Amino acid sequence: GENVEQHPSTLSVQEGDSAVIKCTYSDSASNYFPWYKQELGKRPQLIIDIRSNVGEKKDQRIAVTLNKTAKHFSLHITETQPEDSAVYFCAASKGNAGKSTFGDGTTLTVKP
Amino acid sequence: NAGVTQTPKFRVLKTGQSMTLLCAQDMNHEYMYWYRQDPGMGLRLIHYSVGEGTTAKGEVPDGYNVSRLKKQNFLLGLESAAPSQTSVYFCASSSVGGNNEQFFGPGTRLTVL
Repeated sequence: GENVEQHPSTLSVQEGDSAVIKCTYSDSASNYFPWYKQELGKRPQLIIDIRSNVGEKKDQRIAVTLNKTAKHFSLHITETQPEDSAVYFCAASKGNAGKSTFGDGTTLTVKP
Repeated sequence: NAGVTQTPKFRVLKTGQSMTLLCAQDMNHEYMYWYRQDPGMGLRLIHYSVGEGTTAKGEVPDGYNVSRLKKQNFLLGLESAAPSQTSVYFCASSSVGGNNEQFFGPGTRLTVL
């Protein structure tokens, strides 16, 4: 089955700096790669996603890049703010198969 | 729309007791999932369903059973709770086709003593 590895497990940055979280996947048939943000005590919520026919997608301060050949994708957050502090999860899934495999999460702390 | 809701929010069980967690969604989604979340281990899939009347095993199905009698509901059962099942349980749902964005419920915090 699919295996998703996520690094780093914890990340601390100063407000205004950039943060990068990386994930690798094992199943070359995976074609949908979402990123979820989970604030303390809350449910995970989708913040950005990318499909395998796209190399990069951007939404304001967040962007995701995908390298299908190397089977890795990354989340980039620029101009970080304290409210970006949360746990971020990457995931991989195959089209209409429904279920996703999640990474173990990255705890991001943005210091004011 | 309420989205995805879960009942109960908290529960404390003794070892060997049984209970059922209820998940409901009002988005007419075909797919529903049950995850457990333990510290440092992300979200692990317990069971999932691709439609009414169907269920399938995920990564960590042992000790759990599920039922999807109605499209909008997905039940997770613990027949004989064990301390290892202490966790936060999340239900999620997603639609067929398009992307596989999953919408999560608020979670159920379960403690087994």
